[in-house]
Amino acid sequence: EAGVTQSPTHLIKTRGQQATLRCSPISGHTSVYWYQQALGLGLQFLLWYDEGEERNRGNFPPRFSGRQFPNYSSELNVNALELEDSALYLCASSPRLLGVGTEAFFGQGTRLTVV
Amino acid sequence: AQSVTQLDSQVPVFEEAPVELRCNYSSSVSVYLFWYVQYPNQGLQLLLKYLSGSTLVESINGFEAEFNKSQTSFHLRKPSVHISDTAEYFCAVSLWGGATNKLIFGTGTLLAVQP
Repeated sequence: EAGVTQSPTHLIKTRGQQATLRCSPISGHTSVYWYQQALGLGLQFLLWYDEGEERNRGNFPPRFSGRQFPNYSSELNVNALELEDSALYLCASSPRLLGVGTEAFFGQGTRLTVV
Repeated sequence: AQSVTQLDSQVPVFEEAPVELRCNYSSSVSVYLFWYVQYPNQGLQLLLKYLSGSTLVESINGFEAEFNKSQTSFHLRKPSVHISDTAEYFCAVSLWGGATNKLIFGTGTLLAVQP
């Protein structure tokens, strides 16, 4: 069974540009989560999508946005890139009720570098 | 608000020595607890989880963690570490239901096993 897949693996952008990151969840999972792992800051919750809707977002500015498609894959968009957006972006998926005997499965991440 | 504290940012240890990685959490509601491991340049993998029942949970590679409700702790232990255990370890709590379906992570502990 395929795990969570993310693309691209690496992405280099210049300040002010837009970045688009993609995630395909495990088959049967309806929830997708995005996390930012910046150096020295641990994993920060960004967004949670389920059944095509944004259900919750972390403490990030509106230029971080995304969507979930009918096939439950998801896209994270970061507009007006800033240098501090450089980080590893991790996507995870789970069935609808996280924690009720389930776990979140993570992808390998997309390394975004803003220069 | 819920939070997870991993006091040790880095734990150096010699091969075959025992190790304990500390995790404390704060929450006003019941939570599920997880330990994830991140090997260099990879995503997160679930190491073990506590959902209910026995407070001592074990992983297949020799790690164990004990849920202590009175001390709000979920420390990770291994009696004898290997070089291959070198990785970053994240403790997490999950919140579920309604708009709070997410994992909250600690800042991580780098386990550095030396020969």
